[in-house]
Amino acid sequence: EAGVAQSPRYKIIEKRQSVAFWCNPISGHATLYWYQQILGQGPKLLIQFQNNGVVDDSQLPKDRFSAERLKGVDSTLKIQPAKLEDSAVYLCASSFLSSKRAYEQYFGPGTRLTVT
Amino acid sequence: EDQVTQSPEALRLQEGESSSLNCSYTVSGLRGLFWYRQDPGKGPEFLFTLYSAGEEKEKERLKATLTKKESFLHITAPKPEDSATYLCAVPGEGFKTIFGAGTRLFVKA
Repeated sequence: EAGVAQSPRYKIIEKRQSVAFWCNPISGHATLYWYQQILGQGPKLLIQFQNNGVVDDSQLPKDRFSAERLKGVDSTLKIQPAKLEDSAVYLCASSFLSSKRAYEQYFGPGTRLTVT
Repeated sequence: EDQVTQSPEALRLQEGESSSLNCSYTVSGLRGLFWYRQDPGKGPEFLFTLYSAGEEKEKERLKATLTKKESFLHITAPKPEDSATYLCAVPGEGFKTIFGAGTRLFVKA
């Protein structure tokens, strides 16, 4: 079974530039998550999709971050403009829709973003 | 506010030296507790889900237990390949999964 795919794996940009990350979840997983993981911390949920719809984006800095999930499959996360504090690993995860297995999340390798 | 606290921050063991990692939580109405393993440069890998106090789950040298206020991840006779960061998480308000900061485990041969 193919895992969660993410690209790019690494990205270096200057502050005020924009950047986009792509995620392809495991086939059949209705729920997709984007997390931000700062060095030395646990993942922090940015946005959670269930099929095409957003079920939680309460911790997404909406003035600069946006995300979409087209056709309930792939997703993109964009940052515009980037700030120094956005330097982190951005993780995508997916899971089944059922209530118990929903928390069994499968993570991609992440994108390491460095903002200079 | 929902919160997950893990201790210690880092743990160094000799191969074969058993120990435990702690995860304490404050949430209203626990709906489960999850343990993940994260290797450097990789995303977290799901290990266990525990749903009720007294429940235990085992996988190889790892055993997770749950009480009403905390969970323990017991590592029996660890090997160097068990070196990783171990994260615990709980479902928070709404649909959010709240992760702790993790315990970095180093096992020396």
